[in-house]
Amino acid sequence: SQTIHQWPATLVQPVGSPLSLECTVEGTSNPNLYWYRQAAGRGLQLLFYSVGIGQISSEVPQNLSASRPQDRQFILSSKKLLLSDSGFYLCAWSVSLNTEAFFGQGTRLTVV
Amino acid sequence: EDQVTQSPEALRLQEGESSSLNCSYTVSGLRGLFWYRQDPGKGPEFLFTLYSAGEEKEKERLKATLTKKESFLHITAPKPEDSATYLCAVQPADKAGRRALTFGSGTRLQVQP
Repeated sequence: SQTIHQWPATLVQPVGSPLSLECTVEGTSNPNLYWYRQAAGRGLQLLFYSVGIGQISSEVPQNLSASRPQDRQFILSSKKLLLSDSGFYLCAWSVSLNTEAFFGQGTRLTVV
Repeated sequence: EDQVTQSPEALRLQEGESSSLNCSYTVSGLRGLFWYRQDPGKGPEFLFTLYSAGEEKEKERLKATLTKKESFLHITAPKPEDSATYLCAVQPADKAGRRALTFGSGTRLQVQP
């Protein structure tokens, strides 16, 4: 069966520091991969999605970037964090863009 | 612009008191509508996919229905363990078929014993 791993679960970082969140998927090949951010009491905002290695689509301009160095690995990064980057970050995968997505357990990021 | 609106924002039920959650959507063509359950501090858990008006899906005490403008998640005789936030998402259709899900803000359900 397929599983998705996302770490760390919680992270407290100072303003201006770099960020790297990692997500890996097991049990499937060539998944579509996603990074979402969820603000308190709000819906999920799609940040990036990827349909293959090295292929990244960005939905909103921001202080973050994403990379997909391997088929089942998706990384969310920032060179310098802002206070507004705080939130709950979720990684997800799907078989295709037309099918349901399956989510990891999320990373709670607090920028102080 | 695609929009997904969920109502009510919050709902408190007594155990056994059936009710429905609403998801209204405006999209330029619908490929699919998805329901998720999210527990506090956790990632969303997939429940259902609906593809066409008139379609229904059931799982235990939950039943999802779809029309051309909205979807309902019916909860029959809920139990306290059904307490969670329920999220609705739509997959818009476009020519390239390369659009990801658009989520609503969710309905926070609390079922009291």
